[in-house]
Amino acid sequence: KNEVEQSPQNLTAQEGEFITINCSYSVGISALHWLQQHPGGGIVSLFMLSSGKKKHGRLIATINIQEKHSSLHITASHPRDSAVYICAVSQAETSGSRLTFGEGTQLTVNP
Amino acid sequence: DTGVSQDPRHKITKRGQNVTFRCDPISEHNRLYWYRQTLGQGPEFLTYFQNEAQLEKSRLLSDRFSAERPKGSFSTLEIQRTEQGDSAMYLCASSHTRLAGESEQYFGPGTRLTVT
Repeated sequence: KNEVEQSPQNLTAQEGEFITINCSYSVGISALHWLQQHPGGGIVSLFMLSSGKKKHGRLIATINIQEKHSSLHITASHPRDSAVYICAVSQAETSGSRLTFGEGTQLTVNP
Repeated sequence: DTGVSQDPRHKITKRGQNVTFRCDPISEHNRLYWYRQTLGQGPEFLTYFQNEAQLEKSRLLSDRFSAERPKGSFSTLEIQRTEQGDSAMYLCASSHTRLAGESEQYFGPGTRLTVT
């Protein structure tokens, strides 16, 4: 079993829909990261959080430390949101805060 | 552009050849990470540097792989005697350590390696 599990693996939505991507992890963490990867490989950091909730534009990330679970929400989805969304965790006390990644969620938003 | 850069962006090589990739981190970042990503999978950690010191290497990093970060600036990742299984995207990321708490990692565009 991977230390970081994401669901769903693939998600197709219609423009305007509310989207939720889930992430569960099995290790103690110091931070959880949500990343976005577009075709061609480039990875962009969306959020880094260790508690509570963060919001940036139409994106919201939440984390429940007790349940070891995080969600990424996209409101009013748009075709330009189509990308792979990756959950990753870091453990500051080990390995220089290197990231352990989930396998990613491929999101396609149709117009 | 002051982001993380990687060179080359694409590399096609024949099995058995040696290849070297370069990563230039954001200038004030003291940590530099190498990750590898195969198609349809999330990235996996390979190694990381704090300044010029290589502090950890993953078990994924066989003896054919070597990485350096002379003077704590740019880094190189060399693969000797490449195998078809080495075909992947090689990602570099950098961050600046804080006195407390985590730091965001900034990723380069990656080098896509194809071994034929």
